Amino acid sequence: ETGVTQSPTHLIKTRGQQVTLRCSSQSGHNTVSWYQQALGQGPQFIFQYYREEENGRGNFPPRFSGLQFPNYSSELNVNALELDDSALYLCASSIETWAPEAFFGQGTRLTVV
Amino acid sequence: AQTVTQSQPEMSVQEAETVTLSCTYDTSESDYYLFWYKQPPSRQMILVIRQEAYKQQNATENRFSVNFQKAAKSFSLKISDSQLGDAAMYFCAYRSSNTGTASKLTFGTGTRLQVTL
Repeated sequence: ETGVTQSPTHLIKTRGQQVTLRCSSQSGHNTVSWYQQALGQGPQFIFQYYREEENGRGNFPPRFSGLQFPNYSSELNVNALELDDSALYLCASSIETWAPEAFFGQGTRLTVV
Repeated sequence: AQTVTQSQPEMSVQEAETVTLSCTYDTSESDYYLFWYKQPPSRQMILVIRQEAYKQQNATENRFSVNFQKAAKSFSLKISDSQLGDAAMYFCAYRSSNTGTASKLTFGTGTRLQVTL
């Protein structure tokens, strides 16, 4: 039990819709990263937030956006959903950006139909 | 850009035996971290072991140990006395130590470990 929780655990959306995934980081962790894990693949870095500002982004289009709040929670928003967005979305929190260890939540399984 | 390669999609080991999972990586950096994560069916990534590149000594955590060969850019995981609970996907991951960039993890494609009786 790492203290990082994600909601919902499963979600089904229709192509073209918008979705918001939520993550509650461990208390005191000011850094959160989001990853997309397609079936049979390793997680791919989407972006990182540090003290409520985006601190780096992977190779994902602008329709993937995020927010981080002062209460250690964060959101991943995806607009104009495509079938290829179907994946497990993981968030990971760290006490600081330089901290070597990241603590993962259990993920949200998103299915786009 | 850094890359991580796991060339063994699946491995099988008998209970109580030893198994080694392979990982190679590519980077031009000299200071970085390497990790092995375990992902059971519950989907949560669990850190198994961490290695700092500046340390010559191989990391060890109970039944888990690594063979870190910096010049060869190789980072294998050895699991001794395998247990049924070790069955999972195992991911090798790289992270730069550069504090000026996002501390993102770069993962390999994973190795599925089966443990048999």
